[in-house]
Amino acid sequence: GAGVSQSPSNKVTEKGKDVELRCDPISGHTALYWYRQSLGQGLEFLIYFQGNSAPDKSGLPSDRFSAERTGGSVSTLTIQRTQQEDSAVYLCASSLTGTKNTGELFFGEGSRLTVL
Amino acid sequence: AQSVTQLGSHVSVSEGALVLLRCNYSSSVPPYLFWYVQYPNQGLQLLLKYTSAATLVKGINGFEAEFKKSETSFHLTKPSAHMSDAAEYFCAVSDGSGTYKYIFGTGTRLKVLA
Repeated sequence: GAGVSQSPSNKVTEKGKDVELRCDPISGHTALYWYRQSLGQGLEFLIYFQGNSAPDKSGLPSDRFSAERTGGSVSTLTIQRTQQEDSAVYLCASSLTGTKNTGELFFGEGSRLTVL
Repeated sequence: AQSVTQLGSHVSVSEGALVLLRCNYSSSVPPYLFWYVQYPNQGLQLLLKYTSAATLVKGINGFEAEFKKSETSFHLTKPSAHMSDAAEYFCAVSDGSGTYKYIFGTGTRLKVLA
């Protein structure tokens, strides 16, 4: 597709369940980011993938959160044993890097997670 | 470490009035600065960016921002607000090191009054 695609757009789950959120970046974009947007908060950096380099996981809030990026394209953010405080909108963004980098992040529409 | 501060989580202006959204940054290296806009139930989209060229940057939808190093500011302005400008606006900074690790502010929700 032309833009960053995220699924599901909405997810309601029960406390303690695991969830997977998917991001399909723009074709050719080597950098991929996950951010969390909570009500009244800004964007909280979670994790960053750049090509085949080791991801920057410095923003993951706990070991219940993990992410992978297969084949340098699609990424999955997994939250295990969900808690109510995990309720938020999870945004994925991608960008070009290197000499073609415009510095612009292209965002998906987000996955809204509600933990009951 | 880099940081971004947006003064005012909510700003209201009348239609046709000046829009001013404030952003101050902290960076130990020359920064790249960005303004993004988020309309309801949508992702963020780039309004404009500063990357060490002209200090006055023009963006989409009539918005512009001026980089002032002495004030460590990058305030967003628009001469005349339109109802369609109602949205949330985020300022962001990157150190431009090539990793492009972006730090976002907490956002300012703009309300335009008829």
